[in-house]
Amino acid sequence: GAGVSQSPSNKVTEKGKDVELRCDPISGHTALYWYRQSLGQGLEFLIYFQGNSAPDKSGLPSDRFSAERTGGSVSTLTIQRTQQEDSAVYLCAGSWGNNEQFFGPGTRLTVL
Amino acid sequence: GESVGLHLPTLSVQEGDNSIINCAYSNSASDYFIWYKQESGKGPQFIIDIRSNMDKRQGQRVTVLLNKTVKHLSLQIAATQPGDSAVYFCAENLLRDNYGQNFVFGPGTRLSVLP
Repeated sequence: GAGVSQSPSNKVTEKGKDVELRCDPISGHTALYWYRQSLGQGLEFLIYFQGNSAPDKSGLPSDRFSAERTGGSVSTLTIQRTQQEDSAVYLCAGSWGNNEQFFGPGTRLTVL
Repeated sequence: GESVGLHLPTLSVQEGDNSIINCAYSNSASDYFIWYKQESGKGPQFIIDIRSNMDKRQGQRVTVLLNKTVKHLSLQIAATQPGDSAVYFCAENLLRDNYGQNFVFGPGTRLSVLP
């Protein structure tokens, strides 16, 4: 498809397990963003990539969270030793330069 | 820190009426604003944007107004339709560099269109 895609769409995991979330932006997106959205809440910024580098990691809630981007395209967000408070929808967005962000459909993470 | 907020967390309007969703922003240096629409189970979708050198911008059935004096942003939807039911987010942006943005999103307003 032509849009931003994310996988999996839903992930249920047990407390203490690691999870990996994937984002495929639109071809050519120079910037890529990860956000977290808790139920009924707004978007919480996590991390931003320019190309493969992450100049701003200030939003990552703890050292259990990490992200990488390879080839200026696909990005993965990894959460280690998941906790119940990590349950949320994780949204990825890409943009060309200083323009609007195109969002993916999100991954709904549930930590039991 | 800087924040974006909304005056009305929920808004119910009759089908065919006009809707106005308001947003207050706190950072006077913000230079770019976007309204997003988020339907249940989907990611936010761009509706309309406006830069700080403008005070009004119109799209198809939507108008965004920017009042920099009082740091207020509004989204007007004309002839509201059932398909407009969603959560609407405003976001302000501080230009990060030439390639990225520092968007701060508000908590959202839920718009319900009544038949």
